[in-house]
Amino acid sequence: ELKVEQNPLFLSMQEGKNYTIYCNYSTTSDRLYWYRQDPGKSLESLFVLLSNGAVKQEGRLMASLDTKARLSTLHITAAVHDLSATYFCAVAYARDNYGQNFVFGPGTRLSVLP
Amino acid sequence: ETGVTQTPRHLVMGMTNKKSLKCEQHLGHNAMYWYKQSAKKPLELMFVYNFKEQTENNSVPSRFSPECPNSSHLFLHLHTLQPEDSALYLCASSQEGGRLARRYFGPGTRLTVL
Repeated sequence: ELKVEQNPLFLSMQEGKNYTIYCNYSTTSDRLYWYRQDPGKSLESLFVLLSNGAVKQEGRLMASLDTKARLSTLHITAAVHDLSATYFCAVAYARDNYGQNFVFGPGTRLSVLP
Repeated sequence: ETGVTQTPRHLVMGMTNKKSLKCEQHLGHNAMYWYKQSAKKPLELMFVYNFKEQTENNSVPSRFSPECPNSSHLFLHLHTLQPEDSALYLCASSQEGGRLARRYFGPGTRLTVL
């Protein structure tokens, strides 16, 4: 059974600071997704990482994937209040002929303080 | 984001009521999903439909009954629910077989069972 862990689960940081959220998973996969969820809202897709060494960046967020270490990171640069949300990683693996399974991590609740 | 719509957005029901949640995707995808998000649990996959065929039922109680009349519409019929079924119910869709195959989520239905 594929397990996905995130670290930390809660993160409170000052505006302007940098921090990294970690996503570890237990079995082989070459496809990893990051989502953002604002309180009371749905999940918004941020990044799709498809191969070892993949790096994607948008604004103050940068995601990377190391399939050998079974690790993805979401790096936040110079945080601003608007980044406050819960961030989920999801790992996908092939499932017979019916597409892929997604397993979500527990989420990291980020609060950026002024 | 109007790719995946859900109605109603909020629902309060008694334990003896029967209600239905509706999801519609406008993205031309071939797979649709129901997820449950509770306050203190990870996102739980409930049902998967690929090309209108149910391909996964993750040990969901029979008081939840899905229906997928076509590839654009998905329903979740509810009857004799329990208070612990109160949660945010999210619908998602994806194009399985595609390179990215990311899941796009609807806004969710916030369900309260009294």
